[in-house]
Amino acid sequence: GAGVSQTPSNKVTEKGKYVELRCDPISGHTALYWYRQSLGQGPEFLIYFQGTGAADDSGLPNDRFFAVRPEGSVSTLKIQRTERGDSAVYLCASSLVSGWGGPTDTQYFGPGTRLTVL
Amino acid sequence: GIQVEQSPPDLILQEGANSTLRCNFSDSVNNLQWFHQNPWGQLINLFYIPSGTKQNGRLSATTVATERYSLLYISSSQTTDSGVYFCAVASQGAQKLVFGQGTRLTINP
Repeated sequence: GAGVSQTPSNKVTEKGKYVELRCDPISGHTALYWYRQSLGQGPEFLIYFQGTGAADDSGLPNDRFFAVRPEGSVSTLKIQRTERGDSAVYLCASSLVSGWGGPTDTQYFGPGTRLTVL
Repeated sequence: GIQVEQSPPDLILQEGANSTLRCNFSDSVNNLQWFHQNPWGQLINLFYIPSGTKQNGRLSATTVATERYSLLYISSSQTTDSGVYFCAVASQGAQKLVFGQGTRLTINP
């Protein structure tokens, strides 16, 4: 596609429920990133995929959060037993490659999924 | 980890004014990007600029990597320039971006 797309755009759930957030990266981009943005803050890194594998998951806050990218394109961020503190905008980004140290590292962001946990 | 500080936190200007936004970072970087987050929350790429100077229309940016800072210049501001501007960096050997707290720019007509 022309840009990174994310679905749903908004998700309201109840405390304790399970949610899945989807990201479609720019076609041909091998690197995919998830970030989380709380109100009034800058985005914070969660996890990064190079191809199908999670190359860096150091930003996942705890084991309730998990992400997959089984075919090296679409990714799903999964949150179990949601808590009110999980409420935020979840952003996905992709880049053509990663780690080469040039413009191909440029990350392009999707519109985000606003998650509200009641 | 690497620290990113942006200044000023807030900036209010009249249409037509020029502005300079600053980003300081605490370590060597292999990626530095400037973004504009519009009122709908979309992060729009402005520049990929880990070093050097770039210009795109009314916007330009300069990164002095040896002194660990970057500047974003906006000339002849328009109301559509309003929003939050973020600087984000990746340390040498890392791919994840670390964001500053942003500068909230308000351009009044």
